[in-house]
Amino acid sequence: GQSLEQPSEVTAVEGAIVQINCTYQTSGFYGLSWYQQHDGGAPTFLSYNALDGLEETGRFSSFLSRSDSYGYLLLQELQMKDSASYFCAVRDKGGATNKLIFGTGTLLAVQP
Amino acid sequence: DAGVTQSPTHLIKTRGQHVTLRCSPISGHKSVSWYQQVLGQGPQFIFQYYEKEERGRGNFPDRFSARQFPNYSSELNVNALLLGDSALYLCASSPHYRSGHYSNQPQHFGDGTRLSIL
Repeated sequence: GQSLEQPSEVTAVEGAIVQINCTYQTSGFYGLSWYQQHDGGAPTFLSYNALDGLEETGRFSSFLSRSDSYGYLLLQELQMKDSASYFCAVRDKGGATNKLIFGTGTLLAVQP
Repeated sequence: DAGVTQSPTHLIKTRGQHVTLRCSPISGHKSVSWYQQVLGQGPQFIFQYYEKEERGRGNFPDRFSARQFPNYSSELNVNALLLGDSALYLCASSPHYRSGHYSNQPQHFGDGTRLSIL
């Protein structure tokens, strides 16, 4: 089976940098994605890593190392509005679908 | 442009009842997927439909069924509701049924239907 583990909660202050880790056990997947979800609303896409290395999108960066079965999301210049749940997800390689397998989720609390 | 829309937003049912949830994808998107998100967990894949055909099914009992209509909207049906079916049900759309490794098509999610079973 496939499983992705994340820390359950992370707390940081405004303006700081925070890293949310994702470790996975999977037999094969197409890339690692990150989604943000506010208060149980719609998950929104943040970033995608098809290859090992760092992808940067504004204040957000994401990293993937397949050899270490590890990835992370880096949030810089934290703002209060960044308080949300963050999920890593992989797209299942088996079958003809866009099936996403989500991690356990990390609740980020940004404090003033 | 309108995003993915789901109805109803909230629903309260009792055990044993039946429920139908509805989803309209983003205009031009032909693939619709359904996910169940229990409080405190990540979404879990239930179904994917593309061009009115089921393309994938997650590990859910036969009480869960779905269909897609010619206008690409979709319904999720759950029969014989159990307390454990209480969750946020999310619909996601994408242009095609499967994206390539390097040309990722992110899933676009709706705000979900929050289903409570009493």
